Amino acid sequence: GENVEQHPSTLSVQEGDSAVIKCTYSDSASNYFPWYKQELGKRPQLIIDIRSNVGEKKDQRIAVTLNKTAKHFSLHITETQPEDSAVYFCAASKAGGSYIPTFGRGTSLIVHP
Amino acid sequence: SQTIHQWPATLVQPVGSPLSLECTVEGTSNPNLYWYRQAAGRGLQLLFYSVGIGQISSEVPQNLSASRPQDWQFILSSKKLLLSDSGFYLCAWSVDRWNTEAFFGQGTRLTVV
Repeated sequence: GENVEQHPSTLSVQEGDSAVIKCTYSDSASNYFPWYKQELGKRPQLIIDIRSNVGEKKDQRIAVTLNKTAKHFSLHITETQPEDSAVYFCAASKAGGSYIPTFGRGTSLIVHP
Repeated sequence: SQTIHQWPATLVQPVGSPLSLECTVEGTSNPNLYWYRQAAGRGLQLLFYSVGIGQISSEVPQNLSASRPQDWQFILSSKKLLLSDSGFYLCAWSVDRWNTEAFFGQGTRLTVV
């Protein structure tokens, strides 16, 4: 089955800095890569996603890049703010195939004011 | 619009007692349903998934079971809880095998004492 590795497990940055979280996946057939944000005590919610036919996607301060050849994808947050502090999860799935999403172990992002 | 309900929000149960967590989804038909557990290490571990009434797939052997008696209802159960069953349990749904974004319930914080 699919295996998703996520790094780092903890990331501490100063407000205004950029943050990058990286994930690798094992199944070359995976074609959908979402990122979820989970604030303390709350449910994970989708913040951005990318499909395998796209190399990069941006939404304001967040962006995701995908390298299909290397089987890795990354989340980039620019101009970080304290409210960005949360646990971020990457996931991979095969839409149209064995579609069950496999999640990474999560990254705890701490943005210091 | 679609909504997912999960209850209770918190639960403290003694070792050896039974468990029943319920999840319901409104506003969509034949959703894919999932139970995840989030232990102290933050990772999201898939426990069960269901593609239809009465259809349950288990990802890991454990002390838990799941049932889907109605299209919109997904239940996580145990006959006898163990200390190791403590954790944050999340129910989620997705549209189908082509639309795999996961929408999570609010979660249940289970503490087995």
